[in-house]
Amino acid sequence: NAGVTQTPKFRVLKTGQSMTLLCAQDMNHEYMYWYRQDPGMGLRLIHYSVGEGTTAKGEVPDGYNVSRLKKQNFLLGLESAAPSQTSVYFCASSYSRRGGYQPQHFGDGTRLSIL
Amino acid sequence: DQQVKQNSPSLSVQEGRISILNCDYTNSMFDYFLWYKKYPAEGPTFLISISSIKDKNEDGRFTVFLNKSAKHLSLHIVPSQPGDSAVYFCAASGERGLNNAGNMLTFGGGTRLMVKP
Repeated sequence: NAGVTQTPKFRVLKTGQSMTLLCAQDMNHEYMYWYRQDPGMGLRLIHYSVGEGTTAKGEVPDGYNVSRLKKQNFLLGLESAAPSQTSVYFCASSYSRRGGYQPQHFGDGTRLSIL
Repeated sequence: DQQVKQNSPSLSVQEGRISILNCDYTNSMFDYFLWYKKYPAEGPTFLISISSIKDKNEDGRFTVFLNKSAKHLSLHIVPSQPGDSAVYFCAASGERGLNNAGNMLTFGGGTRLMVKP
């Protein structure tokens, strides 16, 4: 019972390099989210998706792109990494609101350092 | 401007005593509030939630209280155990209309709870 799986767990990049973070969920959730966590600031929403083929901007979308080609996968891309993007990235998924709130389920995070 | 705030970065409590974690919010459109628990090197895990139409929700040792007039909620852990030592995040959600990610969460900055044996 994997839940939400993030790949990779750690990565070090040089400024200007690009990379893609992968999130996969096996709970058949409609919604998926990408957050970043920085010290003292909690988790901030980068982008989210309410279904296959749809994405939308969150609170801090600049410098990131996302794609959701399959319901179970949500990719986060950094086209040209900057030191300010050094952070821990969390993916989450949930059912849609169906008669009540549905909690988000989180992966274990990807620790990304940009030198 | 932070819509959800946890003003205490850390809290230390003796095992067996009560832990009280506090959270304040500013947006009156929030209609659901949650607490997540996070251990190092792991993702946040859902702990307990409360709808804005209630003022209390209890689950075992965990109770969440909501004071809508004060825009304040708190998490009580009784009795506290060393395994409760973690970072606790308060989060809030509000309905945003049709075809939306109504489940979007706004998080507080977290409170690190340390329960001493």
